[in-house]
Amino acid sequence: DAKTTQPNSMESNEEEPVHLPCNHSTISGTDYIHWYRQLPSQGPEYVIHGLTSNVNNRMASLAIAEDRKSSTLILHRATLRDAAVYYCMQATNDYKLSFGAGTTVTVRA
Amino acid sequence: DTGVSQDPRHKITKRGQNVTFRCDPISEHNRLYWYRQTLGQGPEFLTYFQNEAQLEKSRLLSDRFSAERPKGSFSTLEIQRTEQGDSAMYLCASSWDWAPNSGNTIYFGEGSWLTVV
Repeated sequence: DAKTTQPNSMESNEEEPVHLPCNHSTISGTDYIHWYRQLPSQGPEYVIHGLTSNVNNRMASLAIAEDRKSSTLILHRATLRDAAVYYCMQATNDYKLSFGAGTTVTVRA
Repeated sequence: DTGVSQDPRHKITKRGQNVTFRCDPISEHNRLYWYRQTLGQGPEFLTYFQNEAQLEKSRLLSDRFSAERPKGSFSTLEIQRTEQGDSAMYLCASSWDWAPNSGNTIYFGEGSWLTVV
């Protein structure tokens, strides 16, 4: 399975931006980079995905390095509801997402 | 609600009993996935279907685990002769494979919690 590397945890203050790094050094040219998050006692929730270009949606932004070996998920203004485990994944061609341990984000009021 | 639906949400069973979980995917989705998640770990892929065809089942944890999607709509995951190590959350997800390599989104259900006592 394709492996990504993320920090175990990250803390932020409410209303401040959060930058979540992810290394995916084994990524191939056709693998998408997916980010999901999981709130306690819920199933994972899609956040954003991209291939080469930076991506923005209503939840977050995804900045992808030029060599595609790393990416950063950006939550522009963290709220208490953003406290969750964030997973970064390389999606293989058959969309079999391989989750790692993720980054636990804590947001301080 | 038109999201992925799982039933039951919680199940407590005695060791050795069989359990079955049902998943109703988003109606237009042709792909359906099963994952398992234990405490403190990320979800672990088990199997997936494209319509009624089970395209990968090598990750099913043992021959006690089986999954079906008889008409390409809902799916069931059965665990026979449950063991305490089977205690986990079983997640179902679905997606629409409208364009290969498009990076389409996978939608997860809320999960079915299994406790084997």
